[in-house]
Amino acid sequence: GAVVSQHPSWVICKSGTSVKIECRSLDFQATTMFWYRQFPKQSLMLMATSNEGSKATYEQGVEKDKFLINHASLTLSTLTVTSAHPEDSSFYICSARPEEAATSYEQYFGPGTRLTVT
Amino acid sequence: GNSVTQMEGPVTLSEEAFLTINCTYTATGYPSLFWYVQYPGEGLQLLLKATKADDKGSNKGFEATYRKETTSFHLEKGSVQVSDSAVYFCALSDRNQGGKLIFGQGTELSVKP
Repeated sequence: GAVVSQHPSWVICKSGTSVKIECRSLDFQATTMFWYRQFPKQSLMLMATSNEGSKATYEQGVEKDKFLINHASLTLSTLTVTSAHPEDSSFYICSARPEEAATSYEQYFGPGTRLTVT
Repeated sequence: GNSVTQMEGPVTLSEEAFLTINCTYTATGYPSLFWYVQYPGEGLQLLLKATKADDKGSNKGFEATYRKETTSFHLEKGSVQVSDSAVYFCALSDRNQGGKLIFGQGTELSVKP
């Protein structure tokens, strides 16, 4: 149980285009999903927290107009990187918190999406 | 603010050696503590957790004890295997900050046969 998927697993796009990454909780409902960015050999940086049916909360320094997050249902959140540039190339990871995990704040992570902008 | 500090890697050990990866934290409240593992090319997997002081989390031979007095959550394993080679992340979650996970910088472990 507690499986989170991401699609695509890797994507290459041209500079100036937009790319959408999906995060799905496959066997549980998640009122809260998180989006992280990971640079090579570095830790995960939280970008934003999304709650189903409401606007995402972005961490300081993260451009919300560039990284659009939509949490349209209890099992799906999407991250759209708009007008991508080479510096946006990174490993993007989502996580989902099951409703029943509210007391321990566990999160289950997706396998990540490798974005390369050329 | 809350933070997590891990020992720097990479750590290289021979198979069956004893492993310790140090983790200390700073938190204003009473956080839950986690160890996550990331195998090459994969996402993070929860390895173990502890939700209150003196709790011991354990899984797959790994264990860590929530020490409030030393604000530590060191990861240990008595006998590592080649298959344990991965990056290990210590993390905390504080409900005063909406349950966000704050990660340490990660420690790369390489186990040689």
